[in-house]
Amino acid sequence: NAGVMQNPRHLVRRRGQEARLRCSPMKGHSHVYWYRQLPEEGLKFMVYLQKENIIDESGMPKERFSAEFPKEGPSILRIQQVVRGDSAAYFCASSPLGLQGAYEQFFGPGTRLTVL
Amino acid sequence: GNSVTQMEGPVTLSEEAFLTINCTYTATGYPSLFWYVQYPGEGLQLLLKATKADDKGSNKGFEATYRKETTSFHLEKGSVQVSDSAVYFCALSGAAAGNKLTFGGGTRVLVKP
Repeated sequence: NAGVMQNPRHLVRRRGQEARLRCSPMKGHSHVYWYRQLPEEGLKFMVYLQKENIIDESGMPKERFSAEFPKEGPSILRIQQVVRGDSAAYFCASSPLGLQGAYEQFFGPGTRLTVL
Repeated sequence: GNSVTQMEGPVTLSEEAFLTINCTYTATGYPSLFWYVQYPGEGLQLLLKATKADDKGSNKGFEATYRKETTSFHLEKGSVQVSDSAVYFCALSGAAAGNKLTFGGGTRVLVKP
């Protein structure tokens, strides 16, 4: 059973370009979370999605960032007009419908975005 | 809101030494508590978890006990190995938080031979 897949693993963009990060959850998982890890910091929640629905986007910057999880295909985190401060590792995690209070999330290897 | 505070690193130890990483939390309701480990250049792996007060999570020689009275979830290992060198993250989640994980800042551990 393959784990959470993310691609690309490394992405380099120039300021003003767009970045698209992809995440394929584990088989059978219908919940996807995106987290951002700035250098030398912990992970910060960005957005929580189920198929075709954004459940919680309280951690997403108000501008330039968007996320989707379509009925078919991977979840996409899109960053428009990237700036140097967007340079970070972006991690995706997935979980199944879990028991109450036992929400285990499985993480992908991350996409390391570098903005020049 | 929810928050997690863990001791800052780096923590440098010799092989076979005792490791403890302190973690305390603030949360509404009854969260689940987790320790994740991140090896260099990799994503996070779940190390152990506890879902209710007084539960003890354990894995690979690591253990942590959910202490509601002190709102703590300290990680311990009796005898570390070089391969335990990594960054360790304490985290919490729960229905009251919409299932999202709230992480501490991470503690880098370096074990020397």
